[in-house]
Amino acid sequence: EAGVTQSPTHLIKTRGQQATLRCSPISGHTSVYWYQQALGLGLQFLLWYDEGEERNRGNFPPRFSGRQFPNYSSELNVNALELEDSALYLCASSLYEWTPRSYEQYFGPGTRLTVT
Amino acid sequence: GENVEQHPSTLSVQEGDSAVIKCTYSDSASNYFPWYKQELGKRPQLIIDIRSNVGEKKDQRIAVTLNKTAKHFSLHITETQPEDSAVYFCAASIPFNAGGTSYGKLTFGQGTILTVHP
Repeated sequence: EAGVTQSPTHLIKTRGQQATLRCSPISGHTSVYWYQQALGLGLQFLLWYDEGEERNRGNFPPRFSGRQFPNYSSELNVNALELEDSALYLCASSLYEWTPRSYEQYFGPGTRLTVT
Repeated sequence: GENVEQHPSTLSVQEGDSAVIKCTYSDSASNYFPWYKQELGKRPQLIIDIRSNVGEKKDQRIAVTLNKTAKHFSLHITETQPEDSAVYFCAASIPFNAGGTSYGKLTFGQGTILTVHP
């Protein structure tokens, strides 16, 4: 079973630019979650998508947005980049149907975003 | 919203010793508690989880205990090996069908850097 994949691996942007990060979930998973892992700050929940809709959002400004496509892959967009947006962005996927395994979230390798 | 506190932030043990990491959570509605291991430069890997209807779960050298009354849960690693060295994160989740603003997401602790010395 192929795991969660993310692209690109690394992304370097300058302040004020926009960044687009991509995620493909495990086959059969319909839910995609985005987390930010800044240095020394653990993992912070950003967004949750399922069936193409945003289901929940963390305490991040509106310039963090995203979408989910019909094939359940997802895109995270960060507008007007700031220096403090530099972090590892992790995507996770899970089943949404009501099964014992639907709570389990499996992570991708992440995209390292550096804002200069 | 949910808040998860994790202790200690760093833990150093000798190979063969046991390691214990503790977490407390704030929202009594949380009912799913996973533990992730993250090696340097790698993705977080789900190593064990526990649901609120269970008090303890074991998988080989790893066990997790849950005390719902006290709202804390712990990870126990026995017979530690150098390859257990990593950052360990606990997390808590409210079931996604419960409504409200917290459902569906994992709230993580700040992580514990475990170093196992040969």
